[in-house]
Amino acid sequence: LAKTTQPISMDSYEGQEVNITCSHNNIATNDYITWYQQFPSQGPRFIIQGYKTKVTNEVASLFIPADRKSSTLSLPRVSLSDTAVYYCLAGSGNTPLVFGKGTRLSVIA
Amino acid sequence: DADVTQTPRNRITKTGKRIMLECSQTKGHDRMYWYRQDPGLGLRLIYYSFDVKDINKGEISDGYSVSRQAQAKFSLSLESAIPNQTALYFCATSDPGQREVETQYFGPGTRLLVL
Repeated sequence: LAKTTQPISMDSYEGQEVNITCSHNNIATNDYITWYQQFPSQGPRFIIQGYKTKVTNEVASLFIPADRKSSTLSLPRVSLSDTAVYYCLAGSGNTPLVFGKGTRLSVIA
Repeated sequence: DADVTQTPRNRITKTGKRIMLECSQTKGHDRMYWYRQDPGLGLRLIYYSFDVKDINKGEISDGYSVSRQAQAKFSLSLESAIPNQTALYFCATSDPGQREVETQYFGPGTRLLVL
């Protein structure tokens, strides 16, 4: 399983764009990058998944460079309700994904 | 996700007691997982099951056992509870057919306190 490294915490003001970068230097050819969001006392929920280049949905965008050794989750114009822990995972689905400690995002009014 | 339920939601027990946490799902998924979460440590995998006849240890299986009674049910047991098993426990399910790497759907969690 590819190990991922991401910042422990980040702060942002409301209305700003937030970019959380994840490093996965030993990512395998068939691994995908998946991001989850977790609110306090709730289970994580899927945000976005990608393999390369850019993926966008109604919640976020995911940027993956050509070498795939890192990825960036972009949250446009965050609000207080985006305060959560964000997990970056890399894997192929043949074995369970490893969640790690995630990045704690605090959005400030 | 309301399709994944956990019982009980909160439990207080004493050291040495055997307890069982139950997970049920109506999503029809073959894969089920048990995680524990401690403050500042993220989620750690305890056990997982890819189908009814399959049980696998995760990274922290010592002191725990599981039973996959049916596709929809996956129970976690603490044989003899100890205080450092105090944590938030999550059950999750996934379906490998949905996307390239399956999405996991989590239950609401069980908060366990071992005195």
